[in-house]
Amino acid sequence: AQTVTQSQPEMSVQEAETVTLSCTYDTSESDYYLFWYKQPPSRQMILVIRQEAYKQQNATENRFSVNFQKAAKSFSLKISDSQLGDAAMYFCAYRESNPGGGGADGLTFGKGTHLIIQP
Amino acid sequence: KAGVTQTPRYLIKTRGQQVTLSCSPISGHRSVSWYQQTPGQGLQFLFEYFSETQRNKGNFPGRFSGRQFSNSRSEMNVSTLELGDSALYLCASSLAGYEKLFFGSGTQLSVL
Repeated sequence: AQTVTQSQPEMSVQEAETVTLSCTYDTSESDYYLFWYKQPPSRQMILVIRQEAYKQQNATENRFSVNFQKAAKSFSLKISDSQLGDAAMYFCAYRESNPGGGGADGLTFGKGTHLIIQP
Repeated sequence: KAGVTQTPRYLIKTRGQQVTLSCSPISGHRSVSWYQQTPGQGLQFLFEYFSETQRNKGNFPGRFSGRQFSNSRSEMNVSTLELGDSALYLCASSLAGYEKLFFGSGTQLSVL
């Protein structure tokens, strides 16, 4: 079974600074998707960024970027110019790819990292 | 475009009762999946429906069931509620299940 590990239960960063959240995963598959989701106090899960395992180029979305190291099975999220609105729980998630279209397992989530933004 | 809508937002039930939660996906999305979130176990996959068929199921007892209607709306049912079923239940939709999932705000279920 796949597992996703987030080793930092809580991180704190000063507003406007940069912070990196860590995620490692374990799988025997070669083709899969990785995600970072944000869950603010409203509890709605919001997709931050997605990475396809077959792509070597790291995904970026504005102030959010990832460092995807496939061999090391590592997928960290970097948030630049942190803003107060970035404060939330951040979840790393994994999902197998199934190009055959026969069905897909659900997302496997890590335990989350609580990100605090200091004004 | 409206987002994923889950109803109700909050539910209080007693042990032994049953409950039905509803999820309306984003228009055009045919895949609906359900997740349970608890402080102890975190986020766990329950099941996924695509075109009215259950495609995958997580490791939950048979008391947890679901269905999807022809308009892609989905319901999740939990029978014989236990205290441990208290959780936030999240629904997510996507076009076909393999790409970005869009989540609703969840239904907070409390079992007394």
